[in-house]
Amino acid sequence: DTGVSQDPRHKITKRGQNVTFRCDPISEHNRLYWYRQTLGQGPEFLTYFQNEAQLEKSRLLSDRFSAERPKGSFSTLEIQRTEQGDSAMYLCASSLGSGVRYEQFFGPGTRLTVL
Amino acid sequence: DAKTTQPNSMESNEEEPVHLPCNHSTISGTDYIHWYRQLPSQGPEYVIHGLTSNVNNRMASLAIAEDRKSSTLILHRATLRDAAVYYCILRDGTGANSKLTFGKGITLSVRP
Repeated sequence: DTGVSQDPRHKITKRGQNVTFRCDPISEHNRLYWYRQTLGQGPEFLTYFQNEAQLEKSRLLSDRFSAERPKGSFSTLEIQRTEQGDSAMYLCASSLGSGVRYEQFFGPGTRLTVL
Repeated sequence: DAKTTQPNSMESNEEEPVHLPCNHSTISGTDYIHWYRQLPSQGPEYVIHGLTSNVNNRMASLAIAEDRKSSTLILHRATLRDAAVYYCILRDGTGANSKLTFGKGITLSVRP
């Protein structure tokens, strides 16, 4: 399968713990996006990368959140000192370019539950 | 970002056509209309997009009003697999804004 993959698919953690999620985009896709989705809502943009450069961060991305894409391939999203409000589905997407003709391909998501 | 308005939900029968409406009265001249859908327990997937003219692809058709203030996604023969949340999204054609801004979407249920 050559689609976007995310690991882990599910994560249960206790409040205050740190968690890290990984996203492997479609190879040769230079754009990589992170979104967060809570129950009953559409996905909300968090941040995106062009190659290894992080070009935009949403105001939703507090100081506890950090994302990296060190070699312009896979990306990681880390949440420090998790809170119950961080419980959500974290979605990764990639695209070949930035224009409107480039669709975003989404992974299956990582579901985070903070107890 | 220009906003879109969709009904909360719609029901259809299997093998019948489905028309999913979207209003975007504040659309700008450079905004493209995109549709994504999200099947249960999956990430969203691209369906179709257009600017002014009606568009067809293997998944669906997109009918755009002449004034571009509304559009309709048409599934010609709904199947059970089409049950999903459908999102109507405006994207700036100048490329200045790369992210997707999702609303709540419309939940389509398909009856066998």
